[in-house]
Amino acid sequence: GAVVSQHPSWVICKSGTSVKIECRSLDFQATTMFWYRQFPKQSLMLMATSNEGSKATYEQGVEKDKFLINHASLTLSTLTVTSAHPEDSSFYICSASNPRQGAYEQYFGPGTRLTVT
Amino acid sequence: ILNVEQSPQSLHVQEGDSTNFTCSFPSSNFYALHWYRWETAKSPEALFVMTLNGDEKKKGRISATLNTKEGYSYLYIKGSQPEDSATYLCASQGGTSYGKLTFGQGTILTVHP
Repeated sequence: GAVVSQHPSWVICKSGTSVKIECRSLDFQATTMFWYRQFPKQSLMLMATSNEGSKATYEQGVEKDKFLINHASLTLSTLTVTSAHPEDSSFYICSASNPRQGAYEQYFGPGTRLTVT
Repeated sequence: ILNVEQSPQSLHVQEGDSTNFTCSFPSSNFYALHWYRWETAKSPEALFVMTLNGDEKKKGRISATLNTKEGYSYLYIKGSQPEDSATYLCASQGGTSYGKLTFGQGTILTVHP
């Protein structure tokens, strides 16, 4: 149980275009989903927290207009990188949890490697 | 300690060796400490979640301890096997069960046959 999928696993896009990444909880309801980014040789850094049906809460320094997060259902959250630039190239990974049930575990997807050319 | 720090950054051991690594975290506003095992091209796999000072958890050959007063956790692997090769991440969760995770950089373990 507690499987999270992420799509696509890798994507290459041209500078100025937008890219959407999907995160799905396959066998549980995720009231909360998290989006992280990892630059080479660095730790996973939280970008934003989204609760189903609410606006996402962004971490300091993360542009909400650039990284659009939608969490419209209990099993799906999307991250859209708008007007991508080469400096947005990174590894993006999502996690999902259901803290309403008292469970504080976060279950991760396999991540998405984004390369902006 | 302001950040979550893991040591060593990488470790090479022979099959059958026992090994351990450290996670240091801020002891203030602590809620839980998470350990994950992350193999390349796969999802990080949750190993342990620990909340109480002195907690010790075990899963097969892997065990972990927690000291919330001094802000550290140890992960032990007994009789390492090549399939244990992975990056081991720890994350400190502050405040509540809704608190965000702050990750360390991970320890890369390679077990040689």
